[in-house]
Amino acid sequence: EDQVTQSPEALRLQEGESSSLNCSYTVSGLRGLFWYRQDPGKGPEFLFTLYSAGEEKEKERLKATLTKKESFLHITAPKPEDSATYLCAVRPRGDAGGTSYGKLTFGQGTILTVHP
Amino acid sequence: DTEVTQTPKHLVMGMTNKKSLKCEQHMGHRAMYWYKQKAKKPPELMFVYSYEKLSINESVPSRFSPECPNSSLLNLHLHALQPEDSALYLCASSQGGWTDAMNTEAFFGQGTRLTVV
Repeated sequence: EDQVTQSPEALRLQEGESSSLNCSYTVSGLRGLFWYRQDPGKGPEFLFTLYSAGEEKEKERLKATLTKKESFLHITAPKPEDSATYLCAVRPRGDAGGTSYGKLTFGQGTILTVHP
Repeated sequence: DTEVTQTPKHLVMGMTNKKSLKCEQHMGHRAMYWYKQKAKKPPELMFVYSYEKLSINESVPSRFSPECPNSSLLNLHLHALQPEDSALYLCASSQGGWTDAMNTEAFFGQGTRLTVV
């Protein structure tokens, strides 16, 4: 069974204080790992897709990296508007029946709060 | 444009009511999803449609009935719900397809906040 574990559960930072969020995963063949940002009462907003170990993606103050067992979301000099829940999800490679490709398994998320 | 539109944004219904949630995307995506999200929990997959056919049902109770009238629309019909079904219902879409290469990131709508009274 695919599993995704995110840590820490909650993270409080001062504005400008860089840090990292962790996503550890177990999946029967990784098709892709995805990072999302979710604001309260809203749907998840897509951030990054990572496909293979060693891959990195950047967007403004965010940088996502991937190894064979985990992914990190690095936040550089965060601002209060970066406060949100960050979700990690994995999609397995398709099985012989062609049904598992549709599944995204999410971690529990990290609640990030950035204080001014 | 990566927009998935869900209506209504909020819905309050009684346990004997019948209502429907609607989802629309115009990105040409062929895979569409319904997720349920409770407070402070991650989204939980309910259904997956691929090329307008139901491909995954995560053992969802029959009081939830999905429908995919065409490649752009996805409905979720609700009947005889329980208060514990109150949650944020999220629709998502992705490029979709029968090969791994076509299954990439999913884009989510803003959700319907459902309250069952």
